[in-house]
Amino acid sequence: AQTVTQSQPEMSVQEAETVTLSCTYDTSESDYYLFWYKQPPSRQMILVIRQEAYKQQNATENRFSVNFQKAAKSFSLKISDSQLGDAAMYFCAYRGTGNQFYFGTGTSLTVIP
Amino acid sequence: GAGVSQSPSNKVTEKGKDVELRCDPISGHTALYWYRQRLGQGLEFLIYFQGNSAPDKSGLPSDRFSAERTGESVSTLTIQRTQQEDSAVYLCASSLEVGLKYNEQFFGPGTRLTVL
Repeated sequence: AQTVTQSQPEMSVQEAETVTLSCTYDTSESDYYLFWYKQPPSRQMILVIRQEAYKQQNATENRFSVNFQKAAKSFSLKISDSQLGDAAMYFCAYRGTGNQFYFGTGTSLTVIP
Repeated sequence: GAGVSQSPSNKVTEKGKDVELRCDPISGHTALYWYRQRLGQGLEFLIYFQGNSAPDKSGLPSDRFSAERTGESVSTLTIQRTQQEDSAVYLCASSLEVGLKYNEQFFGPGTRLTVL
């Protein structure tokens, strides 16, 4: 089974600064998708960004971008110009040829004013 | 509705009682997933439904857990003879089509279950 590892249980960043959340995964598949989800205290999971494994170009969504290293099986999330509203749990997720999503254990991000 | 809804938002029950959790997916979404999220943990897959196909129950932790879905509509997750270790947030998600891997999952707000 695929595994997703988030090695940083907690991270903090100063408002307006940049922070990078790490994620690694283990798979033998070549075709898959990777996702970052945000879960604020409201519990509502929100998709932040997604990356197709066959695309070499890193996905970008406004202040959010990823560093996808397929050979290293690494998928980190960079948040630029951090805002107070970015404070949340962030989950990395993998979806391959099956229909299951595999989630990491999450990183709790604190934004310091 | 515009999003995935779940009810109740919170449920407190006594050990040994049965509980039923409800999920209303986004209209037109063929796939529906249930997850369990224990305090401070990630999401644990429980079960998924795709249209009228047989559900994938591989994540259900015991035979006390069951789920139903009629067609592409509402789903209910039932936990029989609840135990304290069942205390968690139960999240439901739906997506447009299982066969398209890039389709994101849209999550409901979850049901927080507390077993006393």
